[in-house]
Amino acid sequence: EDQVTQSPEALRLQEGESSSLNCSYTVSGLRGLFWYRQDPGKGPEFLFTLYSAGEEKEKERLKATLTKKESFLHITAPKPEDSATYLCAVQTTGGSYIPTFGRGTSLIVHP
Amino acid sequence: KAGVTQTPRYLIKTRGQQVTLSCSPISGHRSVSWYQQTPGQGLQFLFEYFSETQRNKGNFPGRFSGRQFSNSRSEMNVSTLELGDSALYLCASRQNTGELFFGEGSRLTVL
Repeated sequence: EDQVTQSPEALRLQEGESSSLNCSYTVSGLRGLFWYRQDPGKGPEFLFTLYSAGEEKEKERLKATLTKKESFLHITAPKPEDSATYLCAVQTTGGSYIPTFGRGTSLIVHP
Repeated sequence: KAGVTQTPRYLIKTRGQQVTLSCSPISGHRSVSWYQQTPGQGLQFLFEYFSETQRNKGNFPGRFSGRQFSNSRSEMNVSTLELGDSALYLCASRQNTGELFFGEGSRLTVL
């Protein structure tokens, strides 16, 4: 069974304090790994797609990386507006295109 | 380009009633998926429609149903509401590359 585990569940940072969120996965074959950001009471917003180990994607203060077993979302010098829940999802080869989501990491950045 | 539109945004029902939620996907997207999000279970896949056909279904009881129209708009229905059906219901349209684009959701409260 495909599994996606995100850690930590919650993370509090001071503004400017860089850190990383982890998404580990166990799947039969990876088609793609997705990162989303979700603000309270709203739908998730797509951030990145990673397809193969070694791939990296960047957007402003966020950088996503991928290995064969996990992905990291690095947040450099975060600001309070980066506070949100970050969700990871994996899509596998074969079968349906339905991604499996992790439970998310709730990030709070204090000014 | 307009995003995914969900209506209504908020609704309150009582146990035993039924509810219908509506979703208009991004223009040109033919795949529409529905998810239930609760604090305890995270994002749970309900079903996916493509070209008016249900292509995939999650592990939810038959009280949860959906349909898609020829213009790709979709509706989901929950009959005989239970307290545990209180959740944020999210609709997403999918690009061919797999990324999901979510609406803002319909917040259902069952009393």
